[in-house]
Amino acid sequence: AQKITQTQPGMFVQEKEAVTLDCTYDTSDPSYGLFWYKQPSSGEMIFLIYQGSYDQQNATEGRYSLNFQKARKSANLVISASQLGDSAMYFCAMREAKGYGGSQGNLIFGKGTKLSVKP
Amino acid sequence: EAGVTQSPTHLIKTRGQQATLRCSPISGHTSVYWYQQALGLGLQFLLWYDEGEERNRGNFPPRFSGRQFPNYSSELNVNALELEDSALYLCASSFVAQKPNYGYTFGSGTRLTVV
Repeated sequence: AQKITQTQPGMFVQEKEAVTLDCTYDTSDPSYGLFWYKQPSSGEMIFLIYQGSYDQQNATEGRYSLNFQKARKSANLVISASQLGDSAMYFCAMREAKGYGGSQGNLIFGKGTKLSVKP
Repeated sequence: EAGVTQSPTHLIKTRGQQATLRCSPISGHTSVYWYQQALGLGLQFLLWYDEGEERNRGNFPPRFSGRQFPNYSSELNVNALELEDSALYLCASSFVAQKPNYGYTFGSGTRLTVV
């Protein structure tokens, strides 16, 4: 069963506008972590933001924020004031609690969304 | 501080051959993860090693194997290469006691091409 679903294969956004990238997940574990990564065309994976399942507030990191709706099992990434350098693939990932109190375990990735920022 | 390093950057092999990919984690990191990213697809989890032991394995055939050395570096071996093994192989590392909100650090990957 697919655990991370990203329904938008591609998105376009005008420079300086905000954009939301969708991510839904599936897990029966009450303890889990949600991550967003950016992958430019060069291939490296860049960590953007993290949300823990018990976190009371939505995570924010600069222009990135995570709209966490636990009951809906969604963890959408919001990028404010888009820049041309934001053009990349974006991956949502989840880690379920496995050993070491949940701080470890492999990430499961969605198929990604390709974001293109237009000047 | 050096990041996660992977070698080689590119690797071209013939179908049926064996490929060996290497990964050196960030100093102090004990966990190493391997992922396969075929062209245009997401990351598929392959293997997770921690403290020299295999902790978890993805849905891949046994010809994908690996190991972790005492210095925490890791090796991924792919035997009997098939054309569909052509992909970017990414390695990531983390530290077991680090805060869970610390994202894994990825290397730049090894591009494996099977001809």
